[in-house]
Amino acid sequence: QSALTQPPSASGSPGQSVTISCTGTSSDVGGYNYVSWYQQHPGKAPKLMIYEVTKRPSGVPDRFSGSKSGNTASLTVSGLQAEDEADYYCISYAGSSNLVFGGGTKLTVL
Amino acid sequence: QVQIVQSGAEVKKPGASVKVSCKASGYTFTTYAIHWVRQAPGQRLEWMGWIDTNNGNTKYSQKFQGRVTITRDTSASTAYMELSSLRFEDTAVYYCARYGSGSYGYWGQGTLVTVSS
Repeated sequence: QSALTQPPSASGSPGQSVTISCTGTSSDVGGYNYVSWYQQHPGKAPKLMIYEVTKRPSGVPDRFSGSKSGNTASLTVSGLQAEDEADYYCISYAGSSNLVFGGGTKLTVL
Repeated sequence: QVQIVQSGAEVKKPGASVKVSCKASGYTFTTYAIHWVRQAPGQRLEWMGWIDTNNGNTKYSQKFQGRVTITRDTSASTAYMELSSLRFEDTAVYYCARYGSGSYGYWGQGTLVTVSS
């Protein structure tokens, strides 16, 4: 499977909102409601931020939200804070017990 | 509380094999699959494969088919990932993660594998 397409970088000022896209195909993102988003700080393991497209695990601030339209999923971070600066990855189920990963987006808080 | 603890860093020569362990606690091990994901320095996450911890069935990424073997020991609540015929480009941090609800809710701390002559 090909990787999901994410923009290499995104940025915003503190307090602003930023949206990161994740584009796949009808065989992965568009075909299943199993898109998840992960935050990764340097030298750390990834952390689950959104699962099943829109759900937030306990402890994740409600500033983080997920959505999907067609073959593109999106992660929106509202009220940007300095600690949100990190790499963000999307992952989608792709059928037949396969997963496909995005290339990652580096979020910079200006 | 759920914890996933991996084995320590390894240094291997090209052509050798490496086996990384992933010990889970705080839940019933056979209830969730364990996946393996790696990340080369400065690169993106890369899915390697997974094991159904209940029956031992596995699925591997085509990229690693033939070189990776994922196993589990249910009595020890531990999964293992063995990668053979190591190359310099296999230098990476290897993660295991618990898979449920279509996502990785819990991750190990990562194991750095360095391939060096």
